[in-house]
Amino acid sequence: DVKVTQSSRYLVKRTGEKVFLECVQDMDHENMFWYRQDPGLGLRLIYFSYDVKMKEKGDIPEGYSVSREKKERFSLILESASTNQTSMYLCASRPGQAGANVLTFGAGSRLTVL
Amino acid sequence: AQTVTQSQPEMSVQEAETVTLSCTYDTSESDYYLFWYKQPPSRQMILVIRQEAYKQQNATENRFSVNFQKAAKSFSLKISDSQLGDAAMYFCAYRSRVGGSQGNLIFGKGTKLSVKP
Repeated sequence: DVKVTQSSRYLVKRTGEKVFLECVQDMDHENMFWYRQDPGLGLRLIYFSYDVKMKEKGDIPEGYSVSREKKERFSLILESASTNQTSMYLCASRPGQAGANVLTFGAGSRLTVL
Repeated sequence: AQTVTQSQPEMSVQEAETVTLSCTYDTSESDYYLFWYKQPPSRQMILVIRQEAYKQQNATENRFSVNFQKAAKSFSLKISDSQLGDAAMYFCAYRSRVGGSQGNLIFGKGTKLSVKP
């Protein structure tokens, strides 16, 4: 089975801190995604990547950046965390070939910014 | 732009009963994919069922089935013989068949399902 591992389940950070959320997948998937999940808002796409060193903005990229230096790893970076970035962050991946539809998700990282 | 609407923020069902979760979507495309994902309290999102728009037959996976009404742009999920383990957030999602960024999933806001023993 494909596994998507998010390094931290729970994080507490202070306003202005730099935050790294790490995501690793073990099935050689080309596509990786970062979503933010908030009650009543569902899942919103922050950034995605189709290949190493490639990234594209999703629906809510402001305040975030990403890094994909290796195929298996996709990092979400909050340069200067703010309280409105308190949320659940979900990483997901899927193969790159046409017709490959199903996302595999990580367990999520619950970030609290004080 | 495509949108996905789940009009029921919360639903409740008695154990062993049947429940239907609603989902409607808006698109001008004729070929696409639809999904239901389940997110139990442990937070790992998993796929429940998927439907390809060109297939007229409704998808079924064990106790889970969909009612896909393409003309009405409706994609409801029916859970039969509900079990306590079915309690979760359920998300409906749409994906264009087009590649690139247009092929990313668009999620509804979710329906929280409670199962009463």
